[in-house]
Amino acid sequence: GESVGLHLPTLSVQEGDNSIINCAYSNSASDYFIWYKQESGKGPQFIIDIRSNMDKRQGQRVTVLLNKTVKHLSLQIAATQPGDSAVYFCAENYAGGTSYGKLTFGQGTILTVHP
Amino acid sequence: DADVTQTPRNRITKTGKRIMLECSQTKGHDRMYWYRQDPGLGLQLIYYSFDVKDINKGEISDGYSVSRQAQAKFSLSLESAIPNQTALYFCATSDLRGGRHEQFFGPGTRLTVL
Repeated sequence: GESVGLHLPTLSVQEGDNSIINCAYSNSASDYFIWYKQESGKGPQFIIDIRSNMDKRQGQRVTVLLNKTVKHLSLQIAATQPGDSAVYFCAENYAGGTSYGKLTFGQGTILTVHP
Repeated sequence: DADVTQTPRNRITKTGKRIMLECSQTKGHDRMYWYRQDPGLGLQLIYYSFDVKDINKGEISDGYSVSRQAQAKFSLSLESAIPNQTALYFCATSDLRGGRHEQFFGPGTRLTVL
């Protein structure tokens, strides 16, 4: 039968602007979170991670913010470039039981950067 | 430097055929995973293995089977392919060194079932 795909959230920005991509995670017991970038035709690539005992972590041009109270994760990209255009996924690791070490991925957000 | 490789990269097959997708890694990781990705959707876990003697079902294991032949190899089989299994398939690896759960992904296999 015909499958119906979901429409991913999209974010369009101008080159040089800052981008903020949001993610709501599901499990309050998750202790580790990752952001991945997936370019067209490629596998997901690691961007940045954060543990649950932190609220903020910075990398090169990227910052991840974690709000455990509302189970929300965000990825901020500074001075967004056309090469940042991709699908961005958040992933969480649940700290407990036999599933420890297994990531659960969010739906993803399509980022489009216009020159 | 392809630490995680997948073969084939593209495959077109017919309904009812048996298909095997293979994954190899040179990262020395204990843990390996198979994911499926459909257009407009995120990654869904099919099976995962935490060592050579360990196999676990993921979210969508029905219609699939796996074999962990060695630490470096993890293959995914579709015993009798159906059109709904048309998707992009990714293999990934990880270990827990440093308490991190980062997974490293292969380039993907695009499977089309006619």
